[in-house]
Amino acid sequence: GAVVSQHPSWVICKSGTSVKIECRSLDFQATTMFWYRQFPKQSLMLMATSNEGSKATYEQGVEKDKFLINHASLTLSTLTVTSAHPEDSSFYICSARDFRGGDTIYFGEGSWLTVV
Amino acid sequence: DAKTTQPTSMDCAEGRAANLPCNHSTISGNEYVYWYRQIHSQGPQYIIHGLKNNETNEMASLIITEDRKSSTLILPHATLRDTAVYYCIVRVGSGGSQGNLIFGKGTKLSVKP
Repeated sequence: GAVVSQHPSWVICKSGTSVKIECRSLDFQATTMFWYRQFPKQSLMLMATSNEGSKATYEQGVEKDKFLINHASLTLSTLTVTSAHPEDSSFYICSARDFRGGDTIYFGEGSWLTVV
Repeated sequence: DAKTTQPTSMDCAEGRAANLPCNHSTISGNEYVYWYRQIHSQGPQYIIHGLKNNETNEMASLIITEDRKSSTLILPHATLRDTAVYYCIVRVGSGGSQGNLIFGKGTKLSVKP
């Protein structure tokens, strides 16, 4: 399958600071990427759809000014958690849509964020 | 909300076939059935997907009933490394604008020696 990579794998930041997570499609171009968050023992929750060259589409209840998404190229989307608080600590996962040979979504390895 | 229903958990003996059921009685004609799995603390891994025909790849087989209201994922020879949460998801595929994946709770498969 296609390869999607996230960086960093884990990050610890102080409360009130901002942290950026990168999502890259390594072997294909992705016009559409998705961002999820997952709390312990819960399922993945879709946060937003990231579209290359346009504004992201946020799910209901997700603050767009807090979770900034930028999809400036066909292989990179970034999620910036602004003014992070401890309740933002979570597992953040991105995925990318691969249209080669059909339409399949592949996920990155995930990024653990801990806000202290 | 997820449009599928799966058992919360299942056990399987190592080396035996694992059959994971999924109900999707409200599936639309243009929606595919996708299966992913998530091993603890990792991103979900794509397994297989299908529309109406049965599908097989190197990881698993997908059996979809004729009325498309349910399906079964088959891992032919389960190993301990197949222990994971398995998600069955219906999704508009092949270029549909609503291409995102909505996750339910999935089935926690425990493969035991």
